[in-house]
Amino acid sequence: DTAVSQTPKYLVTQMGNDKSIKCEQNLGHDTMYWYKQDSKKFLKIMFSYNNKELIINETVPNRFSPKSPDKAHLNLHINSLELGDSAVYFCASSQKGSGRYEQYFGPGTRLTVT
Amino acid sequence: EDQVTQSPEALRLQEGESSSLNCSYTVSGLRGLFWYRQDPGKGPEFLFTLYSAGEEKEKERLKATLTKKESFLHITAPKPEDSATYLCAVFSGTYKYIFGTGTRLKVLA
Repeated sequence: DTAVSQTPKYLVTQMGNDKSIKCEQNLGHDTMYWYKQDSKKFLKIMFSYNNKELIINETVPNRFSPKSPDKAHLNLHINSLELGDSAVYFCASSQKGSGRYEQYFGPGTRLTVT
Repeated sequence: EDQVTQSPEALRLQEGESSSLNCSYTVSGLRGLFWYRQDPGKGPEFLFTLYSAGEEKEKERLKATLTKKESFLHITAPKPEDSATYLCAVFSGTYKYIFGTGTRLKVLA
């Protein structure tokens, strides 16, 4: 069974469109994250949710809006897509209260904005 | 400012040629240092967590060590299937995750 899953795997869209990426984890973790990986493979955290509450919101344009309907799901909605939004987006999860802070990542969503 | 620097950026080894990857960090209060492996087109795969200086972890041909300023990932007698990008990350005292830019390892048969 896949621990952290994301859909879709690939997303090709035009500038100005609105799109969503979905993430689900079946690890029973209480904290979920969205990362952006640029062309140089640098992973930068965007958002973090703990028990459905936003706890980290890095400097990200407000066109990006995360939504967590429950502890196992964290979705990312992007409005008015721009060329610079093209990247690979990763969802991750961890168990905050366990004392073990390692994160488990999904397979990624490659977003291409044309 | 919290920072993670990995070196080298890229490394080519012959099969069986052991080597080490370096991760230098500056962080306000280290809660954990992590090593991940990332294959092309896939998400990072967790390998190790190190919590305090002097700690070591091993898994097959990989051994991770930690000092107060850096971590090493030692690869003993690597095989072509060890080819991947290896990422280092820290979890700081302010509960932030900071990733390095990775070392791209290529092991030639």
